[in-house]
Amino acid sequence: AIQMTQSPSSLSASVGDSVTITCRASQDIKDDLGWYQQKPGKAPKLLIYAASSLQSGVPSRFSGSGSGTDYTLTISSLQPEDFATYYCLQDYDYPLTFGGGTKVEI
Amino acid sequence: HVQLIQSGGDVKKPGASVKVSCKASGYTFTNYGITWVRQAPGQGLEWMGWTSANNGNTNYAQNFQGRVTMTTDTSASTAYMELRSLRSDDTAVYYCARRLGYCSSGSCYNWFDSWGQGTLVTVSS
Repeated sequence: AIQMTQSPSSLSASVGDSVTITCRASQDIKDDLGWYQQKPGKAPKLLIYAASSLQSGVPSRFSGSGSGTDYTLTISSLQPEDFATYYCLQDYDYPLTFGGGTKVEI
Repeated sequence: HVQLIQSGGDVKKPGASVKVSCKASGYTFTNYGITWVRQAPGQGLEWMGWTSANNGNTNYAQNFQGRVTMTTDTSASTAYMELRSLRSDDTAVYYCARRLGYCSSGSCYNWFDSWGQGTLVTVSS
């Protein structure tokens, strides 16, 4: 199974900060990676698919990049509603695997 | 718009089975797959498996092989996930999600764009 190592596991930031979250895959996943945001008690929400494509309706301050085994999610100017937990997911090969999550706190 | 509405929470005893439903609306059900993801209390997301609403094909995570069955009822636009031989560590919120994707220039990409609200399954004696 492809292992997804996500870092950091948590971070503290302020409104207006730029933050970067990283996922490293144990093998090349050919950009078949998505980023999801989850708030407490809620279902995950898709932010980015195919490594860098912004899901419709998601603010442009979210962006994804990377290739091969290394991928990043960047939030360019953190807003109060962005404090949440973020997960990457590789959909390149079965079993699909999530990263461990990054909790973004104030 | 796309909606996935899941069945309500349930409490089961160890060794029992649970069947969670996921009713889809707002799109052609058979055009997409349904995936199931669970989240134990305070933990991360765990992919359980996927089923095609078109032909019933499935792919299950190794952790659940032999204990899980994912099915669809196309006449009702509903997907089901049955988990058997429940243990206390199966206590979790179970989510369904629509899986879609595309292929371009020999590469394929998939993602989960719409999610159900989640179903809490508690396993306790």
